[in-house]
Parts: sequence; C-alpha cells; structure tokens
Amino acid sequence: EPEVTQTPSHQVTQMGQEVILRCVPISNHLYFYWYRQILGQKVEFLVSFYNNEISEKSEIFDDQFSVERPDGSNFTLKIRSTKLEDSAMYFCASRNTESYGYTFGSGTRLTVV
Amino acid sequence: QKEVEQDPGPLSVPEGAIVSLNCTYSNSAFQYFMWYRQYSRKGPELLMYTYSSGNKEDGRFTAQVDKSSKYISLFIRDSQPSDSATYLCAIGTDFYGQNFVFGPGTRLSVLP
Repeated sequence: EPEVTQTPSHQVTQMGQEVILRCVPISNHLYFYWYRQILGQKVEFLVSFYNNEISEKSEIFDDQFSVERPDGSNFTLKIRSTKLEDSAMYFCASRNTESYGYTFGSGTRLTVV
Repeated sequence: QKEVEQDPGPLSVPEGAIVSLNCTYSNSAFQYFMWYRQYSRKGPELLMYTYSSGNKEDGRFTAQVDKSSKYISLFIRDSQPSDSATYLCAIGTDFYGQNFVFGPGTRLSVLP
C-alpha cells in the first residue's frame, strides 16, 4: 500500500539552528500538508500546498517556517531559527484530487535543546 | 469554549466489549466529520468519513453524527487488543479537509 515517507524519524537540534524536515508524499497525490503535534496535545494544522504554492496556512506558520517542493517527489518543511517550543512531532500528509481525508506519514520527532 | 472536545481517557475495556468514543463541537458550520486512529509514535490513520447526520458502518466500526446536538460518536464492536490506540475526531467545513480541526484524542486500551 502506498505510504507517505518522512525523514528523519527523530532530529535533535540546538535552539536557533535551522532544520529541514523531509517528506515524500504518495506519488499521484497533488495536495500536501504539514501538521504538528506537541507531546500530549492535539494535532494542529500548519500549512497546505498545491500547485507549487501555499494554499492555506495557520497562525502557527509564521515567517520562521517555509515549505518547498524542490523536485517532483520531495516536500520539505524548513524552520529557520528553531525555538524550544518548536519541539513536537511533525506530520506530513497528502491526498489526491478525488479522495477525502489524508494519508499521514509516521512523523518526525523534533527536539530543540 | 473549545472548537472540538473529546474525553481524553484513558478508556480501558475488556476484549470483545463495545466501545463508544465521542466528540462535541461548537461551530455549526462544521459539516464534515472524520475519525482517525493513531498508534503510539505513528501518524493518524483515517478510519471513517461522513458528512451527514445518521449512522455509517464499516466492518466493526460505526460512525454516528447528530448535527442538531453537535455530537459525533464512533462505536467499535467486538473490540480487539489491536484496537488499542488514540482515536482522534477531525471536523471541518469543507469536503477535502483543509480546515479540519482535530480533537485532542481519546486513548483506548483493549485488555485481552
């Protein structure tokens, strides 16, 4: 069964450093998303991406965040200057045109120290 | 008032029990309802999707929506230890889920 792949599974970074989280969505999917889940809290929407541009973003997705689809397969989330409160699980998700709901990846656990 | 509320649990039941998981929401504009299952350290997995009041059944799972009460439920029949996970409701205003709001999740343990 097709799946969304995220790398790395766990990343530890120092406060103020830049991190890039990588995702390979399902190959025929056209809509891509990033969500985050702080430990013990609910899943929160960050950003949606379609046709090589951001279609919607939440208040969480401030100027420190950016997304990119650098080639035909990867979808990345960059955090320019990490803060302690950025520590969370980050989930990538994708869907195709006809489907409802998303297919989520297994997530990247980001720990900012 | 939070947009979407769920009893966080944990909820422990014996194997074979019927499980009822519930969410309430405050925004009457919400028209689309999903249930996701999330195993520990994994991404959410879509279980059920519905957009109308009433019941929708899929195997051992039944999703129930009562828009007048702003209340949705997921029933699991003949629960199995493999059903042990956190169950998230996600509720939104559009078909494709771009504006879905997730509940905090209910942690379920099914004991053999």
